[in-house]
Amino acid sequence: QQPVQSPQAVILREGEDAVINCSSSKALYSVHWYRQKHGEAPVFLMILLKGGEQKGHEKISASFNEKKQQSSLYLTASQLSYSGTYFCGTEKSGGSEKLVFGKGTKLTVNP
Amino acid sequence: DTGVSQDPRHKITKRGQNVTFRCDPISEHNRLYWYRQTLGQGPEFLTYFQNEAQLEKSRLLSDRFSAERPKGSFSTLEIQRTEQGDSAMYLCASSSTGTGNGYTFGSGTRLTVV
Repeated sequence: QQPVQSPQAVILREGEDAVINCSSSKALYSVHWYRQKHGEAPVFLMILLKGGEQKGHEKISASFNEKKQQSSLYLTASQLSYSGTYFCGTEKSGGSEKLVFGKGTKLTVNP
Repeated sequence: DTGVSQDPRHKITKRGQNVTFRCDPISEHNRLYWYRQTLGQGPEFLTYFQNEAQLEKSRLLSDRFSAERPKGSFSTLEIQRTEQGDSAMYLCASSSTGTGNGYTFGSGTRLTVV
């Protein structure tokens, strides 16, 4: 039931792009994306809803493929502040109303 | 709006002791969630409330864990007879009903059982 994230870790140079994937074996109603910096709480980035459109937030955007039950997070022209661990949280169809989180993808952006 | 507050930030307890954590959600949020996170893992669902009603509790949660949210405001999570495997970060989050609303997490309570 836990979504699978890939890759587990990414190392970038400032200005490079990255894609983080999240896939589920269950039919999904929504996918959330969060970023957690070391020693801090996870911070909400965006939500993708079933039937919704691709979302964007500055240089961070995401898509949701309902047929494949997959979501991807796109980080373009990465900045040092993008470093952290990214989690996807999935909500099953039928309105379970709770999120099940993946194990996370650790992103490191170097100067 | 001061965000989600959790107390205490850190707790060290001896095995077998009981501990209680408190969470104060954002006042306008009617949903409150408890998660547990260990090093290198994503948050693991424990339980959640809508207003004062506890709507779901993880099957992974033993009877030693109990949570309350009296009057639909703050919530407490109690762990009885703590074990070393209970050592983790306990995160509280809140949200409001409706589509498109993400969770706001608190800074967590780090529990160490010695």
